[in-house]
Amino acid sequence: DQQVKQNSPSLSVQEGRISILNCDYTNSMFDYFLWYKKYPAEGPTFLISISSIKDKNEDGRFTVFLNKSAKHLSLHIVPSQPGDSAVYFCAARPTGGTSYGKLTFGQGTILTVHP
Amino acid sequence: GAGVSQSPRYKVAKRGQDVALRCDPISGHVSLFWYQQALGQGPEFLTYFQNEAQLDKSGLPSDRFFAERPEGSVSTLKIQRTQQEDSAVYLCASSQDRVSYEQYFGPGTRLTVT
Repeated sequence: DQQVKQNSPSLSVQEGRISILNCDYTNSMFDYFLWYKKYPAEGPTFLISISSIKDKNEDGRFTVFLNKSAKHLSLHIVPSQPGDSAVYFCAARPTGGTSYGKLTFGQGTILTVHP
Repeated sequence: GAGVSQSPRYKVAKRGQDVALRCDPISGHVSLFWYQQALGQGPEFLTYFQNEAQLDKSGLPSDRFFAERPEGSVSTLKIQRTQQEDSAVYLCASSQDRVSYEQYFGPGTRLTVT
């Protein structure tokens, strides 16, 4: 069963506009969420994260929103730039107890930003 | 400073061969993770080390997969008698300590079994 889902395999956006990437999760034990960005032939690189005690976290052009009741999070990129073109993965982890940080990833969304 | 490195970057193996994939984590990082990424999918957890102790190997797909980190730094993922379904990118990640949220990934090893 897919505990973290990214239902849009791809997204195409014009440079300067907003990109919105979505992610849904089913496991209520998850309480920390991360977004990773991946270029071809490279490993994922950390982008931004959010704890379940917050509903928004912002870092420059990147903002992550968390709706716990809907088990949904989204990543907003404003303004989008061609260099943002990559695969974006949503990941989740539980905290507390015996957890040590094992990440569960979604399938990824390919973002293409057109000049 | 140096990031996580993995070798080889690409490996082609004939079905039935044994392979060994190496991961050099960031110096001083306590936690080390192995993930398997199939084409078009997100990474999936394989196993976790805290220093030299393998604390979770629940994601290893079969007993043909074996991982070790004998001195708490470099780790090796070994796959015996490779099968075509083992073809994937194998990613290694490290993090500073047990509770650190951020994992730093290496570039991965792309394994192709023919």
